[in-house]
Amino acid sequence: GENVEQHPSTLSVQEGDSAVIKCTYSDSASNYFPWYKQELGKGPQLIIDIRSNVGEKKDQRIAVTLNKTAKHFSLHITETQPEDSAVYFCAASVDNDMRFGAGTRLTVKP
Amino acid sequence: EAGVAQSPRYKIIEKRQSVAFWCNPISGHATLYWYQQILGQGPKLLIQFQNNGVVDDSQLPKDRFSAERLKGVDSTLKIQPAKLEDSAVYLCASSHRNSGYTFGSGTRLTVV
Repeated sequence: GENVEQHPSTLSVQEGDSAVIKCTYSDSASNYFPWYKQELGKGPQLIIDIRSNVGEKKDQRIAVTLNKTAKHFSLHITETQPEDSAVYFCAASVDNDMRFGAGTRLTVKP
Repeated sequence: EAGVAQSPRYKIIEKRQSVAFWCNPISGHATLYWYQQILGQGPKLLIQFQNNGVVDDSQLPKDRFSAERLKGVDSTLKIQPAKLEDSAVYLCASSHRNSGYTFGSGTRLTVV
């Protein structure tokens, strides 16, 4: 089955700096790659996603890139703000079978 | 649209007791998932339903966990008997085709 690895496990940045989280996946059939943000006491919330026929997608301060050949994808957050502090999960999916990375705890220091 | 509803939000039980969680997915979402999230880890799939049929329950500890979605809408997940290592957040999610899941807020289970 699919195996998703996520790095780093923790990330601390200064407000205004950029943050990058990277994931790799094992199943070349995976074709859907969402990113979730989980705040304390809440369920994960979808923040951005990308499909395998696209190499990059951007939504305001958040962007995701996908390299199918290397089987890795990344989340980029620019101009970070304290409210970006949360745990971020990547996932890889094929046919509604989604596997999650272990998560990255992002701390944005004011 | 209304989100995924889960109840209860919190539950504390003693080991060997039983517990049940309830989930009502987003209307029209045929696929429903139950995930277990242990503190500090990513969600781990327990069971996936497509309408009222089970698609994947390979990681469900079937000696103590059971789940049903009888009418293809809401679902219950039961643990009987509970063990200390079952302490976790149990997340329900639903999706429409191969798109992003919508998660509920989860049920935090503490087994003492």
